[in-house]
Amino acid sequence: AQKVTQAQTEISVVEKEDVTLDCVYETRDTTYYLFWYKQPPSGELVFLIRRNSFDEQNEISGRYSWNFQKSTSSFNFTITASQVVDSAVYFCALSPMDSNYQLIWGAGTKLIIKP
Amino acid sequence: DVKVTQSSRYLVKRTGEKVFLECVQDMDHENMFWYRQDPGLGLRLIYFSYDVKMKEKGDIPEGYSVSREKKERFSLILESASTNQTSMYLCASSPDRARGSPLHFGNGTRLTVT
Repeated sequence: AQKVTQAQTEISVVEKEDVTLDCVYETRDTTYYLFWYKQPPSGELVFLIRRNSFDEQNEISGRYSWNFQKSTSSFNFTITASQVVDSAVYFCALSPMDSNYQLIWGAGTKLIIKP
Repeated sequence: DVKVTQSSRYLVKRTGEKVFLECVQDMDHENMFWYRQDPGLGLRLIYFSYDVKMKEKGDIPEGYSVSREKKERFSLILESASTNQTSMYLCASSPDRARGSPLHFGNGTRLTVT
């Protein structure tokens, strides 16, 4: 089965706290891509990061970091020192080799950052 | 910056009406997609197109059709709108046929069918 699970439906934290959004995936492919997208209240999904299955290096971009672990089939996203502007729905997605152009999407995690 | 523009932000239609949702992208992308987004279900692909006049069904094509007469425009058509098609509709494009190209999304059209 090809599947992406974001078990956290909603997370609420106070500003400046660190928060981790979990993403667990299932695929039979050895080559695939993983993505994170952000959907702020305005509605437009914004691409954050892409990782291919051969690159297990963690990535850091400012306050954002991503931890890719093939051993546990996880691609978790951490926001350090969260800000109110980080409030959004975050989606994890998988692009397996046999799916043509289709992405397998997680259900999304709604992140609420309280001031 | 890539711009994907959806013609309407909010739309209210009656059951049985024929509904057109329009999407235009300005970066000469080959691929275009229509998704619907419902709470708790994530994004589900309705149709996609990898070239002019080419289309492929996604996960939930029933009740929908699409048209791509020009590279920059991808239209979603609800032949006879029903209340279960009330949803947020998202259009996206990507630059080439290589797997893994990030999608660029429009702002979405929230359709209500009464």
